[in-house]
Order: sequence, then structure tokens, then C-alpha cells
Amino acid sequence: QSALTQPPSASGSPGQSVTISCTGTSSDVGGYNYVSWYQQHPGKAPKLMIYEVSKRPSGVPDRFSGSKSDNTASLTVSGLQAEDEADYYCSSYAGSNTLVFGGGTKLTVL
Amino acid sequence: QLQLQESGPGLVKPSETLSLTCTVSGGSISSTNYYWGWIRQPPGKGLEWIGSIYYRGSTYYNPSLKSRVAISVDTSKNQFSLKLTSVTAADTAVYYCARQNYYYYGLDVWGQGTTVTVSS
Repeated sequence: QSALTQPPSASGSPGQSVTISCTGTSSDVGGYNYVSWYQQHPGKAPKLMIYEVSKRPSGVPDRFSGSKSDNTASLTVSGLQAEDEADYYCSSYAGSNTLVFGGGTKLTVL
Repeated sequence: QLQLQESGPGLVKPSETLSLTCTVSGGSISSTNYYWGWIRQPPGKGLEWIGSIYYRGSTYYNPSLKSRVAISVDTSKNQFSLKLTSVTAADTAVYYCARQNYYYYGLDVWGQGTTVTVSS
């Protein structure tokens, strides 16, 4: 069970869109539609932003969207705002009731 | 509103056992719709899923930690616990407990996290 691969950093200007990728294998991301995305501000606990690839929990702005193609999932943040600056982590179901996380992406709002 | 709170020693000696408890309030740990999980985050690094437990006692562990981890549940106290044996400095991390959805595996409610340092 290896960690999912995310770019270490991403950036965009206010109002722009940015997409963060999360690459796994056919044993995790590609094999199941159970990809989640989490936002983590410094010193805080992670917050669930996306589940089941593209669904948003209540209260999460529709500026956040998710998708998946083959072994790669993606999180898109549209209309970037200053408060979106945070670390973002993907996770996937990996079979046998186990989960695997990505290494995280630091999103900077320029 | 459901809340989770981690508790336990903040300092553990190398080779000893790390023990943490997560207390669930505002809801029942015996819900059929959720697992209860532990996740950790070493300083400056990413998240690592440690394992989870169902209220009936079924456990699931990260293969890389399986030989050292035990998660248990006490439904009478609405708590679940983590034990990690033979700790080293590499186990120094913020440890989070969280509610894990039974159907889509997302972690939708988190505790605030507790820092555990392994040092003599």
C-alpha cells in the first residue's frame, strides 16, 4: 500500500481556477469511486471537502469540485479566494477496508 | 453536534507503548453507519491512516503498522482507543481520531488532534 502521488505545491491568483491531481493505481483510485479530498489549515484538523470522487458535504462551497479518470483523481478550486490557501490531501479506499492518503499539496493564493 | 476528543500522554519513551483514547460526544459510537478511525501526521509531513474499528469490534489496520497497532472500542463509555507498541522517534506525530463513513470511507468528523512525542 503506497501513498498516492500529489504535486507538492500549486498556486493561483484570486478568482482563478486551480486543479490538484492525485495519482494512484488500479488497486485504489482506479478501482473504486471512494476518493475523498481534505483541506487542512495550519495547526488545524483536516476538513472533508469532497467524497465519492465528486460529492460535496453540506456547507462546502460549490467552488470545490472533484473528478476522476482512470487512476488519477482531481480537485478543482474555482474562483480562488484567500481562505482557500491551505494544504489539500486526497485519500482513497484501497480494498480490505483500508485507506491510503496522498502526500499533500500546498495551495498558495498569490 | 458530534465531537471527538483525543486524550493520552504527550510523551512516550522509545520502545514503550503509545496509548490514546478518543471520546465521542453528541452521538453514539454504536451507529451502524460509521467506523471510527485513527490518523497521524508527523511534524511537517502528510497524513497517514493508522486504522479503524466498527462498534462491534471489527478492526482494520494499515499494513505497514499492523504488527504494532491495536484499536479497541468501549461502547459503554462511547470511546475507542489506540495502542502502538515498540515506538521510535518516527512515531512522533499529531494523532487524530475521526469518524469514517461506512459507505464511502470519507472521514467526516475529526478530533482536534493530540501531539505525541517519542523521546527518552
